[in-house]
Amino acid sequence: GQNIDQPTEMTATEGAIVQINCTYQTSGFNGLFWYQQHAGEAPTFLSYNVLDGLEEKGRFSSFLSRSKGYSYLLLKELQMKDSASYLCAVTNDYKLSFGAGTTVTVRA
Amino acid sequence: GAVVSQHPSRVICKSGTSVKIECRSLDFQATTMFWYRQFPKQSLMLMATSNEGSKATYEQGVEKDKFLINHASLTLSTLTVTSAHPEDSSFYICSARLAANTGELFFGEGSRLTVL
Repeated sequence: GQNIDQPTEMTATEGAIVQINCTYQTSGFNGLFWYQQHAGEAPTFLSYNVLDGLEEKGRFSSFLSRSKGYSYLLLKELQMKDSASYLCAVTNDYKLSFGAGTTVTVRA
Repeated sequence: GAVVSQHPSRVICKSGTSVKIECRSLDFQATTMFWYRQFPKQSLMLMATSNEGSKATYEQGVEKDKFLINHASLTLSTLTVTSAHPEDSSFYICSARLAANTGELFFGEGSRLTVL
């Protein structure tokens, strides 16, 4: 089975940095995704990690440690529009299993 | 990037009726599409994997006779919720895989189903 854990909620100030952790225990692993989802909308792709290490893409970075079953998404220079749910998802045989999501609230 | 279109975006129906949701890959061919369901404040739950030209693979606990999936072409998969009931009210999202070796999925806009 798949067990993917991430915090339920996080709050941060505009301009700050927030790190969202994700731990997973899955039967098989082909990669880890991070998605952003605004309320009432479909998820949008943020990042994909298949090898250990840090992937940087603008203000967003994602890290993966396969041996520890651990990933984090780092959001820098937070903006109000970054207020959303962030979903960690693990792929196994190209089927995605999602964590419950972390709701990030950015305050002025 | 790749575009996946889903229709309708919102549908309200009476209990006992059937509703069809379409998922189209607009600029690429998708041999595999996935259907997810999301209840309020919960994560996406995979319902089934739709394979072009063959039967869909359903996840445990998902009734295949209630949620009919048809993937008749490389650009279209449909989900039909048969004899819908209020507990079927949910956000249904389809996704398609762009390439076999990346696993990256592109999502449709989602369909909000409300069963009265």
